[in-house]
Amino acid sequence: AQSVTQPDIHITVSEGASLELRCNYSYGATPYLFWYVQSPGQGLQLLLKYFSGDTLVQGIKGFEAEFKRSQSSFNLRKPSVHWSDAAEYFCAVAPQGYQKVTFGTGTKLQVIP
Amino acid sequence: NAGVTQTPKFQVLKTGQSMTLQCAQDMNHNSMYWYRQDPGMGLRLIYYSASEGTTDKGEVPNGYNVSRLNKREFSLRLESAAPSQTSVYFCASSGSLAGVSDTQYFGPGTRLTVL
Repeated sequence: AQSVTQPDIHITVSEGASLELRCNYSYGATPYLFWYVQSPGQGLQLLLKYFSGDTLVQGIKGFEAEFKRSQSSFNLRKPSVHWSDAAEYFCAVAPQGYQKVTFGTGTKLQVIP
Repeated sequence: NAGVTQTPKFQVLKTGQSMTLQCAQDMNHNSMYWYRQDPGMGLRLIYYSASEGTTDKGEVPNGYNVSRLNKREFSLRLESAAPSQTSVYFCASSGSLAGVSDTQYFGPGTRLTVL
């Protein structure tokens, strides 16, 4: 069965600083990979997804993620964080050919002035 | 386009009571899902429906039942609520066809407390 690990439970960054959120997955083949964001009291919203092709994926709100097969990672990055980016971020994985998506435990991002 | 709607938004139950959480989507999606979210555990899949007329168990199905009433609606029933079912429940839908994962669209959630 696939699994996904987000090693950082909580991250604090200053507004304007760069951000990288880590995600590692465990699966025999290349899965589909997703990053979702959840603002307080809201449902989840897709930031970006990787199915195949270019390993650097651009998403909404200025986010990008890079798929590294050799490291089984799909880290999320943003060059300059805004206060409105404070939220919880979830990495998710789904094996190709299956519909069950497995979510990581999330990383809560705090942005300080 | 309302997207994915869930009712109710909040609910308090006593142990042993039953209730049904309702979910509807207006995006003509084939697949629908029920998740629960607990602190530090991310989202865990309870049940999903790949298409109208089919349902399958997810990671944590015990204590729950589901009904895919039609293509739009997917309900989750707690027959005899337990305190361990206190959680935030999310419904999601996806345009996935069988065997193909795609973006999931989430409802706003139902916060359930079982006393």
